[in-house]
Amino acid sequence: QQQVKQSPQSLIVQKGGISIINCAYENTAFDYFPWYQQFPGKGPALLIAIRPDVSEKKEGRFTISFNKSAKQFSLHIMDSQPGDSATYFCAASKGNQFYFGTGTSLTVIP
Amino acid sequence: ETGVTQTPRHLVMGMTNKKSLKCEQHLGHNAMYWYKQSAKKPLELMFVYNFKEQTENNSVPSRFSPECPNSSHLFLHLHTLQPEDSALYLCASSQASGGNQPQHFGDGTRLSIL
Repeated sequence: QQQVKQSPQSLIVQKGGISIINCAYENTAFDYFPWYQQFPGKGPALLIAIRPDVSEKKEGRFTISFNKSAKQFSLHIMDSQPGDSATYFCAASKGNQFYFGTGTSLTVIP
Repeated sequence: ETGVTQTPRHLVMGMTNKKSLKCEQHLGHNAMYWYKQSAKKPLELMFVYNFKEQTENNSVPSRFSPECPNSSHLFLHLHTLQPEDSALYLCASSQASGGNQPQHFGDGTRLSIL
């Protein structure tokens, strides 16, 4: 059973637009929810992370919205730029176990 | 420049070969991880080491054998692999295992099994 479900699989956004990627999780024991950004030929890099005691976290153009009751969290990229074109992964963890989504390929069109 | 270095970057091997992947972290972290990344699939956590001790083995076949001689180095020894083992193998490190710790990933080893 997939612990973290991510959508959409791919996303195309105009420059300056808002990119939104959604994730849903199963296990209410998860206590750490990071988002990673991966460029071709590179490993994933931590973008932003949230704990379930807050509903929103913002870092620059990136915002995580967290809905504990719905077991959902999402990444919003404001003013999307061509340089944001990459694959984005959400994850959920408890203890030593990390579960990742299947990734979203984001393309920002100039 | 990444604080986690993986070598080699690419590896092609036959099913009967024996090879090893190497990971080194320069971040002073105490936990290290091996992940498998296949196309269209979530990253799969394979092994976790905390202070050189293996703390997680997620039902990984015995043809994959990890080794962690110290907190800075992690190896993945490969033998008698199958074609479905072709994937990108990622190493990561964190301050300590136990969740709530950001993981820093290397750029991976692209493994192809002939």
